[in-house]
Amino acid sequence: GAVVSQHPSWVICKSGTSVKIECRSLDFQATTMFWYRQFPKQSLMLMATSNEGSKATYEQGVEKDKFLINHASLTLSTLTVTSAHPEDSSFYICSARNLGGAESTEAFFGQGTRLTVV
Amino acid sequence: AQSVSQHNHHVILSEAASLELGCNYSYGGTVNLFWYVQYPGQHLQLLLKYFSGDPLVKGIKGFEAEFIKSKFSFNLRKPSVQWSDTAEYFCAANSRGGFKTIFGAGTRLFVKA
Repeated sequence: GAVVSQHPSWVICKSGTSVKIECRSLDFQATTMFWYRQFPKQSLMLMATSNEGSKATYEQGVEKDKFLINHASLTLSTLTVTSAHPEDSSFYICSARNLGGAESTEAFFGQGTRLTVV
Repeated sequence: AQSVSQHNHHVILSEAASLELGCNYSYGGTVNLFWYVQYPGQHLQLLLKYFSGDPLVKGIKGFEAEFIKSKFSFNLRKPSVQWSDTAEYFCAANSRGGFKTIFGAGTRLFVKA
């Protein structure tokens, strides 16, 4: 299957600073990537859909000014958590679908980024 | 509204017991269905998927799932679980031509050795 790589896998930052998380599709082009957030003991909640070359589409209740998404190329999407606070501490996961390939409807996931804000 | 619901949040089984995890979906149009597994400390992995054709789908590690359209269900089964099956299992769905993959709340399975 296709590979999605996420970096970093773990980050600790001070309250008030910003953190950037990268999501790369390694062997396919992803016009669309997805960012999820997983709270402890809960399921993955879709935060936003990242579209290459255009603005991201945010789910209801997600602050677009706090979670900045940039999808500058067909293989890279970034999520920046701005002015992070302890309540932003969570596990962030990206995924991508290879809409041009044979496995076009399956989503492939990055390994996730555990963000801890202190 | 699109949704995926999983009936059991926690399941505890002994080794060799049979497993069935329930999943129901509410989705307009043609739906694709998935089961993902997340082992402790690891990222999500695909267990199996249904797009079309035979409603009984075989996946990795001895898992299977049956798509029952009339019941809007896609239950996951395994005849005999092992301790290594301890993990969290997520049912998910997306639609043909759509983009979003929606996840159920997950079921934590603990298998006692």
